[in-house]
Amino acid sequence: DAKTTQPPSMDCAEGRAANLPCNHSTISGNEYVYWYRQIHSQGPQYIIHGLKNNETNEMASLIITEDRKSSTLILPHATLRDTAVYYCISLKTGANNLFFGTGTRLTVIP
Amino acid sequence: DTAVSQTPKYLVTQMGNDKSIKCEQNLGHDTMYWYKQDSKKFLKIMFSYNNKELIINETVPNRFSPKSPDKAHLNLHINSLELGDSAVYFCASSPRATWQGVNEQFFGPGTRLTVL
Repeated sequence: DAKTTQPPSMDCAEGRAANLPCNHSTISGNEYVYWYRQIHSQGPQYIIHGLKNNETNEMASLIITEDRKSSTLILPHATLRDTAVYYCISLKTGANNLFFGTGTRLTVIP
Repeated sequence: DTAVSQTPKYLVTQMGNDKSIKCEQNLGHDTMYWYKQDSKKFLKIMFSYNNKELIINETVPNRFSPKSPDKAHLNLHINSLELGDSAVYFCASSPRATWQGVNEQFFGPGTRLTVL
């Protein structure tokens, strides 16, 4: 599975959009991009995943560049409860072994 | 209703003891996992079971033995506990990964193990 790199930390003002970048320059054609987050003292929580098209659900939007070498997770209106570590993970189709790197610690500021 | 539950939430024990952590999921999923999150907050997969069969076994000491009595349960038994086993252990479950790449894993609340 491709290695992903993320900034270690980011701040976002409450109510504003949080844009979390992820680089996955060695991603292969059959690898999906998954986003999970871990709120302090809780288990990780699935957010969204995509292959090459942009995706949106009730939690977030995922924008994947045309060359698939990077992606951005967008939380449209960040709240204090969105403060967490966000993990970008690439995973081959049919695989189960999620590899959580260091992630991005997002702090939403009042 | 709790989707993935673990017991106990906290476990404090002495070196050399044997302990078990239980996990249950009521989502009807085929696949269950154990992850370990160490003091540096790295989260690593340990085991994965699909329909009671072991499908992933990362480099984990054989003191750790998963047991799956049915597809809704995956327990983790640890023999001869060591100081380095202190960590938070998370159980998770997911539907069978499909060709569409769907692998949404649902995690339990974690069990904080402290070995003294």
